[in-house]
Amino acid sequence: AQRVTQPEKLLSVFKGAPVELKCNYSYSGSPELFWYVQYSRQRLQLLLRHISRESIKGFTADLNKGETSFHLKKPFAQEEDSAMYYCALSGNTGAGSYQLTFGKGTKLSVIP
Amino acid sequence: EAQVTQNPRYLITVTGKKLTVTCSQNMNHEYMSWYRQDPGLGLRQIYYSMNVEVTDKGDVPEGYKVSRKEKRNFPLILESPSPNQTSLYFCASSLRQGLDGYTFGSGTRLTVV
Repeated sequence: AQRVTQPEKLLSVFKGAPVELKCNYSYSGSPELFWYVQYSRQRLQLLLRHISRESIKGFTADLNKGETSFHLKKPFAQEEDSAMYYCALSGNTGAGSYQLTFGKGTKLSVIP
Repeated sequence: EAQVTQNPRYLITVTGKKLTVTCSQNMNHEYMSWYRQDPGLGLRQIYYSMNVEVTDKGDVPEGYKVSRKEKRNFPLILESPSPNQTSLYFCASSLRQGLDGYTFGSGTRLTVV
């Protein structure tokens, strides 16, 4: 079974400080990994996916297969980064379909 | 505008009264899914659909039904709602299952009393 673990429920950092949101996964194959962001009272939005190796709003994430991690990083936090962040894994169920599994989320609070 | 539309946004109902939450997407996506979001539990998948007439259970399917008669629509049906189904529900769609990110709807906040 596939699993995503986000060990921190809440992360508070000061504005301008570096941010790292942790994500570890468990999956037997080659995973497709994503980060989603949910601002207060809004829908979830795709932030980035590991296959595209892109940087969105200054955030980056690197897949480390050895450590089975996909941590989200940003060098300098901004107040507008305050939100709920979800790590997600898309894995093949073995029956020809894929299932997207989310972690429980980390609430990032950026202190002015 | 490309989007996933859910209705209603808010719903209060009584135990046992059947209800349907609608979901529609205008992006010709094959893959659609329903999630519920609860504090401390994150998002849990209820049902998903790979294409028309193809649906499968997610992690928490008990008490829910779905149908996919048309590509654009994926309604969530609660035949006999109970208070433990009080939650925030999200519909999502994706062009290619497994490879593309999801587009989410705005959510439906359901309260069962």
